[in-house]
Amino acid sequence: GNSVTQMEGPVTLSEEAFLTINCTYTATGYPSLFWYVQYPGEGLQLLLKATKADDKGSNKGFEATYRKETTSFHLEKGSVQVSDSAVYFCALRMNYGGSQGNLIFGKGTKLSVKP
Amino acid sequence: NAGVTQTPKFQVLKTGQSMTLQCAQDMNHEYMSWYRQDPGMGLRLIHYSVGAGITDQGEVPNGYNVSRSTTEDFPLRLLSAAPSQTSVYFCASSPPGQGAEAFFGQGTRLTVV
Repeated sequence: GNSVTQMEGPVTLSEEAFLTINCTYTATGYPSLFWYVQYPGEGLQLLLKATKADDKGSNKGFEATYRKETTSFHLEKGSVQVSDSAVYFCALRMNYGGSQGNLIFGKGTKLSVKP
Repeated sequence: NAGVTQTPKFQVLKTGQSMTLQCAQDMNHEYMSWYRQDPGMGLRLIHYSVGAGITDQGEVPNGYNVSRSTTEDFPLRLLSAAPSQTSVYFCASSPPGQGAEAFFGQGTRLTVV
């Protein structure tokens, strides 16, 4: 079946460090890929997305590129801030409608950024 | 701009009690879903709906019931609460399109004692 695997956390970085959170997927077909972020005590919100191979999603200094050849969608940021401390979820969706329209999530990676 | 509204935010139940978690969205989205979030497990789909009058089971539906009588509302019922249902519950809604963003509520933290 379709699935998402992301690196286990927690990840602890110093402010201004480089961040990479790995995400790979298994899917029969061509999914859309998402990164969601969950700040403490809040719901999930979309960070960025990509809907086809070689697309790059970007937002708030974060980037991820849809790599079909490696079935990956790694999240990167060049210089993290304390305010980036949160849990990050990689997710996929196959198609809109029916069971295929459901988001499938990875287990989440908790990021803590120290001043 | 309310988005997706979940109530209550916190709830403590005794084993065997029943309750309903409310979810309402004001964006006219056809697609709504319920997830539970447990440590180390990510988000797991409980039930979903592709429109009013249509619901289906997700990955972990046992012990939960849903209905969708209107586009706006998608309540989740716990029929007889068990400690294994202690979790954080999130409701989400989506507009059409494979690449469309899902909007999440703030969550309900449920403890079953």
